[in-house]
Amino acid sequence: DQQVKQNSPSLSVQEGRISILNCDYTNSMFDYFLWYKKYPAEGPTFLISISSIKDKNEDGRFTVFLNKSAKHLSLHIVPSQPGDSAVYFCAASARTQGGSEKLVFGKGMKLTVNP
Amino acid sequence: DTGVSQDPRHKITKRGQNVTFRCDPISEHNRLYWYRQTLGQGPEFLTYFQNEAQLEKSRLLSDRFSAERPKGSFSTLEIQRTEQGDSAMYLCASRPTGFWTGELFFGEGSRLTVL
Repeated sequence: DQQVKQNSPSLSVQEGRISILNCDYTNSMFDYFLWYKKYPAEGPTFLISISSIKDKNEDGRFTVFLNKSAKHLSLHIVPSQPGDSAVYFCAASARTQGGSEKLVFGKGMKLTVNP
Repeated sequence: DTGVSQDPRHKITKRGQNVTFRCDPISEHNRLYWYRQTLGQGPEFLTYFQNEAQLEKSRLLSDRFSAERPKGSFSTLEIQRTEQGDSAMYLCASRPTGFWTGELFFGEGSRLTVL
């Protein structure tokens, strides 16, 4: 079952505008949510994260919002730049008594920022 | 370059052959992870090590798969009797010791094509 869902496979925005990437999850035990960015022929790189005890985390042009009641998070990029064009993965982790360190990823969403 | 290094970057093999991938983590990172990414999907967790100890394995890691990290530095992932369904990108990641938040440093991946 898909515990982390990114329902939109792609998004195209104009340079300078806001990009909003959405992610839904089903497991209420997740305690950290992360966004990773991936360029072609490269591995994913960490972008920003948020703890489940917070509802917002901001880092420069990137802000992640968490709505626990809706089991939904979103990544806002403003202003969007052509260099932001990449595949973005939403991911979540849940600590267990056994000390699991496993990330569960969504399928990814391709963002294209047009000049 | 001080990032996570993976070798080979691309491997083409015939069904039934054995393949081995190598991962060199960032120096002094004691945690090492293997993920698999198939077309159109996000990375899926396979296994992870703390130093030389393999602490968790996914059910995706069938008997044909074996991962080792003999000296707590580099790691190998071997697939025996490859099948076409093994075709994927195999990603290695590492992180330093410390509280688990989900932030990992990924390598560029090793792409396996099984003919």
